[in-house]
Amino acid sequence: GENVEQHPSTLSVQEGDSAVIKCTYSDSASNYFPWYKQELGKGPQLIIDIRSNVGEKKDQRIAVTLNKTAKHFSLHITETQPEDSAVYFCAASMGGTASKLTFGTGTRLQVTL
Amino acid sequence: GAGVSQSPSNKVTEKGKDVELRCDPISGHTALYWYRQSLGQGLEFLIYFQGNSAPDKSGLPSDRFSAERTGGSVSTLTIQRTQQEDSAVYLCASSSFGSKSYTFGSGTRLTVV
Repeated sequence: GENVEQHPSTLSVQEGDSAVIKCTYSDSASNYFPWYKQELGKGPQLIIDIRSNVGEKKDQRIAVTLNKTAKHFSLHITETQPEDSAVYFCAASMGGTASKLTFGTGTRLQVTL
Repeated sequence: GAGVSQSPSNKVTEKGKDVELRCDPISGHTALYWYRQSLGQGLEFLIYFQGNSAPDKSGLPSDRFSAERTGGSVSTLTIQRTQQEDSAVYLCASSSFGSKSYTFGSGTRLTVV
């Protein structure tokens, strides 16, 4: 089955700096790669996703890049703000109308003032 | 409803007792997923339902765990003879047909004492 590794497990940045979280996946058949943000006491919330036919996708201060050859994908957050502090999860899934997601172990991002 | 609703939000039970966790997905969403999140860990897949198809139970950790989805809507996750290692947050998510975007509930925090 699919295996997703994520690092770092914790990341502390100063407000205004950039943050980068990296993930690798094992199954070359995976074609969908979402990122979820989980705030304390809440369920994860989708913030951005990318499909295997695209190399990069941006949405305001966040961007995701995908390297299919290396089976790597990354989340980039620019101009970080305190409200970006949360746990971020990457995930991967294969085709199909309702394929289950395999999640990474999460990165706790702390944005300090 | 507007989102995925899970109940109870917190459950404390004695070792050996059975528990039932409920998930009410977004109306019209055909897929429903259960995940488990242990303290400081990632999201572990348990089971998913897609329409009237047979559920994918490949993530259930033991035969003490079972789930059903009645009428294609509400789902109940049952854990029999609970053990301390079952303590975790149990998250439910749903998605619409053809979408891989999950909407998560806030979870049920289960503590087995």
